Amino acid sequence: QSALTQPASVSGSPGQSITISCTGTSSDVGSYNLVSWYQQHPGKAPRLMIYEGTKRPSGVSNRFSGSKSGNTASLTISGLQAEDEADYYCCSYAGSSTVVFGGGTKLTVL
Amino acid sequence: EVQLVESGGGLVQPGRSLRLFCAASGFTFDDHAMHWVRQVPGKGPEWVSGISWNSGSIGYADSVKGRFTISRDNAKNSLYLQMDSLRVEDTALYYCVKDSRAVITIQFNYWGQGTLVTVSS
Repeated sequence: QSALTQPASVSGSPGQSITISCTGTSSDVGSYNLVSWYQQHPGKAPRLMIYEGTKRPSGVSNRFSGSKSGNTASLTISGLQAEDEADYYCCSYAGSSTVVFGGGTKLTVL
Repeated sequence: EVQLVESGGGLVQPGRSLRLFCAASGFTFDDHAMHWVRQVPGKGPEWVSGISWNSGSIGYADSVKGRFTISRDNAKNSLYLQMDSLRVEDTALYYCVKDSRAVITIQFNYWGQGTLVTVSS
């Protein structure tokens, strides 16, 4: 169970789009469509933004979208807004009832 | 309203044990898998353990396997984490987390407020 790899930081200006990558292996991201993404603001619990790779829970803006290709999943945020500034974590099922998180990406809205 | 309330955290010496509790309400507890996720302040979350609705599927992170035991009591709407042989590196805020489905699908849609575990001599 090795942590999924995410860039430490990304940034963008309001209105722009950014993409955060999440690289795993053929034992986790590459084998299952069970990838989720979480947004975490300081002092708060993580919030589910994307599940099953591409699906949005009710209440999550359609500016957030997910995709997957091979062993890499991605989260795209379009029309960046100031409130999107937060830490983002990917998460993947890794087989045998185990789960692995990514190291996290700090999004800065310039 | 979904509520997950953790308790049982505290200061404990290395090598000792601690048992965490999570009281769930506002949803049909035995329709959902449950998890424990921990987070060191300033670091990312780390999944610790998960359990399916009927305890038929259980998983642990390598870092806690053989030391921690997850369990649930559906009659009491409660989730537990027995932590033995605690290490300094187990120090973290421990969250009780609800999965969206009965089996583990990592749709962590509700999180408790967390209970702090500090392992130190």
